[in-house]
Amino acid sequence: DAKTTQPTSMDCAEGRAANLPCNHSTISGNEYVYWYRQIHSQGPQYIIHGLKNNETNEMASLIITEDRKSSTLILPHATLRDTAVYYCIVRDSGSARQLTFGSGTQLTVLP
Amino acid sequence: NAGVTQTPKFQVLKTGQSMTLQCAQDMNHEYMSWYRQDPGMGLRLIHYSVGAGITDQGEVPNGYNVSRSTTEDFPLRLLSAAPSQTSVYFCASSSVRRGSYEQYFGPGTRLTVT
Repeated sequence: DAKTTQPTSMDCAEGRAANLPCNHSTISGNEYVYWYRQIHSQGPQYIIHGLKNNETNEMASLIITEDRKSSTLILPHATLRDTAVYYCIVRDSGSARQLTFGSGTQLTVLP
Repeated sequence: NAGVTQTPKFQVLKTGQSMTLQCAQDMNHEYMSWYRQDPGMGLRLIHYSVGAGITDQGEVPNGYNVSRSTTEDFPLRLLSAAPSQTSVYFCASSSVRRGSYEQYFGPGTRLTVT
């Protein structure tokens, strides 16, 4: 599986967009990019996933570069409840459920 | 729907004791799995199951047993607890329908082994 690299931590002002980057330069053609988040001590929560097209749902948008070597998760209007650790995970569809969590990015939304 | 439930929420064991962590889901999901999360770390996969009667090992299976006799339940057994098994344990479930990759996680069981 492709390795992912994320910043250790980021801050964002409440109400502003939070842009969380993820580098996955060794991603292969059949691997998807998944994003989960974990709010303090709770179980992880699925956010969004994509293959090569940009994706949007009620929680976030996922922008994947054309070469697929990096992606950005966008929370359009961050709230204090979005403070969490965000995990970027790359998996192929056959093993999509056997997730490998790295250290993630600690996003702190500031009032 | 209750989603994924786990019991107990907290547990303290002495070295060598055995116990079973319970996990249940009411979403009729075929796939269920167990992860552990050590302090400051990401989750690591222990065991998983793609349906009743079928289980397989994940990244860190040693010291744990699982079975899947029903679709709803997926208990995790610690045979002889060790301090290295002090961790937070999360159970997860998902559908195996094509295109359905979202996993739902339970609230976790916090285990301390002394």
